[in-house]
Amino acid sequence: TQLLEQSPQFLSIQEGENLTVYCNSSSVFSSLQWYRQEPGEGPVLLVTVVTGGEVKKLKRLTFQFGDARKDSSLHITAAQTGDTGLYLCAGVGANAGKSTFGDGTTLTVKP
Amino acid sequence: EPEVTQTPSHQVTQMGQEVILRCVPISNHLYFYWYRQILGQKVEFLVSFYNNEISEKSEIFDDQFSVERPDGSNFTLKIRSTKLEDSAMYFCARGTGPGAKNIQYFGAGTRLSVL
Repeated sequence: TQLLEQSPQFLSIQEGENLTVYCNSSSVFSSLQWYRQEPGEGPVLLVTVVTGGEVKKLKRLTFQFGDARKDSSLHITAAQTGDTGLYLCAGVGANAGKSTFGDGTTLTVKP
Repeated sequence: EPEVTQTPSHQVTQMGQEVILRCVPISNHLYFYWYRQILGQKVEFLVSFYNNEISEKSEIFDDQFSVERPDGSNFTLKIRSTKLEDSAMYFCARGTGPGAKNIQYFGAGTRLSVL
């Protein structure tokens, strides 16, 4: 059974601070996706990382895929109140397989 | 704009009743998935569907569940006899292709409430 552990589960910071969310597994994934989910809505894709060691930037968000394709991190620089939300990582199995989701990180950015 | 449209957005049903949740992709796709999320819990995989066949299913997807694509467009999830513990958000997703290039896009979900 593939498991993804996200940490921290909850994070509360002040606007302007930096933060990092981690996603770890003992399993290797073909790719890993980060989503953001608002209450009562479906996960919205932020980024997909495929290659070990890959780094992708989306404005103030930096995503990294571990060399062994077992872990990933999301770093937010100078957080804004609009970044508040639930962030999910999901590892995708081979052959268009299922996504295995982490428990999520609830981020609160205070003004 | 979501890649897939799910209907209804909210379904209320009595325990023991059958429900059908629908997913309509915006364009033609081959890879489909159903996930569920019980309130306060993680998103859980139910079933994957490729080329009009189930390709993988989880332990949750027991005999009470079934999926089909009856008209080549709508992708449905049927729960034959709902239980209280089936209450959850159900998400349909479509995938872009095999292997590492597979990116899954989710619909807005159907909230199922079993009374």
